[in-house]
Amino acid sequence: DVQMTQSPSTLSASVGGRVTITCRASQSVNRWLAWYQQKPGKAPELLIYKASGLHSGVPSRFSGSGSETEFTLTISSLQPDDFATYYCQQYYNYPFTFGQGTKLEI
Amino acid sequence: QLQLQESGPGLVKSSETLSLTCSVSSASISSNNFYWGWIRQPPGKGLEWIGTIYYSGNPYYNPSLKSRVTISVDTSKNQFSLKLNSVTAADTAVYYCARFVGGSPYDIWGRGTLVTVSS
Repeated sequence: DVQMTQSPSTLSASVGGRVTITCRASQSVNRWLAWYQQKPGKAPELLIYKASGLHSGVPSRFSGSGSETEFTLTISSLQPDDFATYYCQQYYNYPFTFGQGTKLEI
Repeated sequence: QLQLQESGPGLVKSSETLSLTCSVSSASISSNNFYWGWIRQPPGKGLEWIGTIYYSGNPYYNPSLKSRVTISVDTSKNQFSLKLNSVTAADTAVYYCARFVGGSPYDIWGRGTLVTVSS
């Protein structure tokens, strides 16, 4: 199985700021990497697909980069609605695996 | 707009079988290149992939659950199902059903349903 490791686990930032979350895979997943946002009591929502593709309707302040084993999610100009938990997921091969999550706090 | 809705008992006794159904609306479960999956999230913890199925193919399961899990499709009802047997407290979680299009990640999720395993 491909292990996905996110860092940091918790991140504090301010409205208007910029943050970067890192996701590392235990082996190459090419660019088959997604990022999700999850708010309390809600289902995850897709933000980024194939490492850097912006899902429909997602604001352009979200961006993804990386390939093989190292990936980043960057959120620029943080808005109050962005404070949530973020997960990466590889869908290169089965079993699909998720990172442990990064909680973004004000 | 395709929607997914989980249904099933919210309380299951330890050692029994957890059974959930996901109803698909505004699309056919037999649509080309649509794959259907289950993901769970224990309270306060992260996401765990359970498995995925294509309407006409064999399911793929998380190896950690493979001996206890069955995912199936009912095309006549436009639904897919999850069965997890011999449950324990560790199986208490919010269970989500979701869809992905081949080559893409899960883009549509149900709202999730909390299943509690009681002793």
